[in-house]
Amino acid sequence: GQNIDQPTEMTATEGAIVQINCTYQTSGFNGLFWYQQHAGEAPTFLSYNVLDGLEEKGRFSSFLSRSKGYSYLLLKELQMKDSASYLCAPMDSNYQLIWGAGTKLIIKP
Amino acid sequence: GAVVSQHPSWVICKSGTSVKIECRSLDFQATTMFWYRQFPKQSLMLMATSNEGSKATYEQGVEKDKFLINHASLTLSTLTVTSAHPEDSSFYICSAESGGTGLIAGAPYEQYFGPGTRLTVT
Repeated sequence: GQNIDQPTEMTATEGAIVQINCTYQTSGFNGLFWYQQHAGEAPTFLSYNVLDGLEEKGRFSSFLSRSKGYSYLLLKELQMKDSASYLCAPMDSNYQLIWGAGTKLIIKP
Repeated sequence: GAVVSQHPSWVICKSGTSVKIECRSLDFQATTMFWYRQFPKQSLMLMATSNEGSKATYEQGVEKDKFLINHASLTLSTLTVTSAHPEDSSFYICSAESGGTGLIAGAPYEQYFGPGTRLTVT
């Protein structure tokens, strides 16, 4: 079957760095997306990885290891507005996104 | 670019009535549109996939006669919740997929989400 595993909740301090891990099992693989979702809002695109390695985009970076079925999202210089859920969504062989429950990130001052 | 609108943003209806939700891709043509439902503190649940001009493909456990989907054009899909009941109260989100706009480097397909519709059935 297809499966996504992320921590349910994480807490970090404003200005710090946090890493959100994701392991996945899918039928085929066509890249992995990270989305941010604030409470009561729709998800917004953060990053896409299809090759192994680190993709950096401003304060956010995303890493992928296809052989390990593993990805992480790294958030630097945390701001209060980063409090949200972060969704790891690999794309399977049918180009369908597989969604997990996401990781709720709480930022404390 | 790649903006998706959804209307209405919130709706309250009485049990037994029907509600229609519209999803539009404003600045691109969507080959495929998806409808999701999300209950509080839960993951996105894909309800159905629709392609313009053809019948929607529903996920297991989703009643196609209750959740009617019409994908009339490459920029518009509608979801009608028929004979709504309180248990249908949820956050409904649509997304529109485009292949190769290039906005997401390397991605074979790109999925953009509407702002969502909060449905409350009383």
